[in-house]
Amino acid sequence: EIVMTQSPATLSVSPGERATLSCRASQSVSSDLAWYQQKPGQPPRLLIYGASTRATGVPPRFSGSGSGTEFTLTISSLQSEDFAVYYCQQYNNWPPMYTFGQGTKLEIK
Amino acid sequence: QVQLQESGPGLVKPSETLSLICTVSGDSISSYYWSWIRQPPGKGLEWIGYIYYSGSTNYNPSLKSRLTISIDTSRNQFSLKLSSVTAADTAVYYCATRRKGIGIFDYWGQGTLVTVSS
Repeated sequence: EIVMTQSPATLSVSPGERATLSCRASQSVSSDLAWYQQKPGQPPRLLIYGASTRATGVPPRFSGSGSGTEFTLTISSLQSEDFAVYYCQQYNNWPPMYTFGQGTKLEIK
Repeated sequence: QVQLQESGPGLVKPSETLSLICTVSGDSISSYYWSWIRQPPGKGLEWIGYIYYSGSTNYNPSLKSRLTISIDTSRNQFSLKLSSVTAADTAVYYCATRRKGIGIFDYWGQGTLVTVSS
């Protein structure tokens, strides 16, 4: 099983500032990496797939980068609605065994 | 746009079988792979498995021995059965679409909390 590790567990950032979230895979997943945003009481929302492709309707302030084992989600100028928990997910292996990171909580500083 | 809605008992006794249904609307059931994902309270996400409209399935190996996912194309529904449940199976259960050709989850139901307790 590919283990996904996210850091930090909690990130405190002020509105308008940049946030950088990290995700590391225990082995290479190429670019088969997605990011999701989850707000309290809601299901996750797909933000990024293919490590860097924004899903439909996702604002350009969200960007993803990385390949292999190291990935980053950057939110360039935080809006109030961006404070949430973010999960990374790999989908590289066959037969499929999709795994998620444990999440990073992005909170208002 | 596809919409999904989970339904089923919110309370299941230990050692019994957890059964949930996901009802799909807004798109053809042949358009996606249909998935189940769960989230224990306050914790992260765990992929459970998926089914295609043809009936082919893939399951999380850690749950495979207790798990059955099936599909009823005539009713636009797919279902989850997890047997011999324990408190560790207490979670919000989501149904979701897995896009064809890529293992990402585009659309999600609102989720349903299932508590395992006597």
